[in-house]
Amino acid sequence: QVQLQESGPGLVKPSETLSLTCTVSGGSISSYYWSWIRQPAGKGLEWIGRIYTSGNTNYNPSLKSRVTMSVDTSKNQFSLKLSSVTAADTAVYYCARGGGGFWSGYYRAEYFNHWGQGTLVTVSS
Amino acid sequence: DIQMTQSPSSLSASVGDRVTITCRASQSISTYLNWYQQKPGKAPSLLIFTASTLQSGVPSRFSGSGSGTDFTLTISSLQLEDFATYYCQQSFSTLTFGGGTKVEIK
Repeated sequence: QVQLQESGPGLVKPSETLSLTCTVSGGSISSYYWSWIRQPAGKGLEWIGRIYTSGNTNYNPSLKSRVTMSVDTSKNQFSLKLSSVTAADTAVYYCARGGGGFWSGYYRAEYFNHWGQGTLVTVSS
Repeated sequence: DIQMTQSPSSLSASVGDRVTITCRASQSISTYLNWYQQKPGKAPSLLIFTASTLQSGVPSRFSGSGSGTDFTLTISSLQLEDFATYYCQQSFSTLTFGGGTKVEIK
């Protein structure tokens, strides 16, 4: 059974860069799309972006200017960097594995059937 | 972005009740609509994908329907473990989620 685990600092100062890593166990990271999704306390879910094991990325346009994702297949890990953070970036950050999906203009029919437990990142000085 | 609107935002129901949650897309998304259940302090869990396909291991009391802009998640007979928040998610273009529907005990 595939398991995902987020790791990284729980506290980040405003204007700095949030960095998180997701470690995949129980299966290979290869040949899947991997996403980051966040959820502010008491609010809904926001998709941040996805990365394929080749390194190809797609980002949410609302965050694109601040987001960088990378993958390290030798470690079965992928990572998120979000720059110039503010209090509005305070949230629980989840990593997830994409299922389904095909390219037709956009990447369609994707769903998330494996999630990490989530990690709370607070932006505060 | 495609906006996803769920209704109601919350509801109170009793064990055994039939519960229906709706999700409306701001434009047609064919059947590229998924449903998740989230319990407090936990990650969301996939229930249904492509509008009506039940994820493996999900009880058959959950069902989904719809296409285009209007979708429905139905729980045929609410069980104690079903009290949670439910989210829809479209996968037609840049992924977006609905605002959630909290199902509470009456």
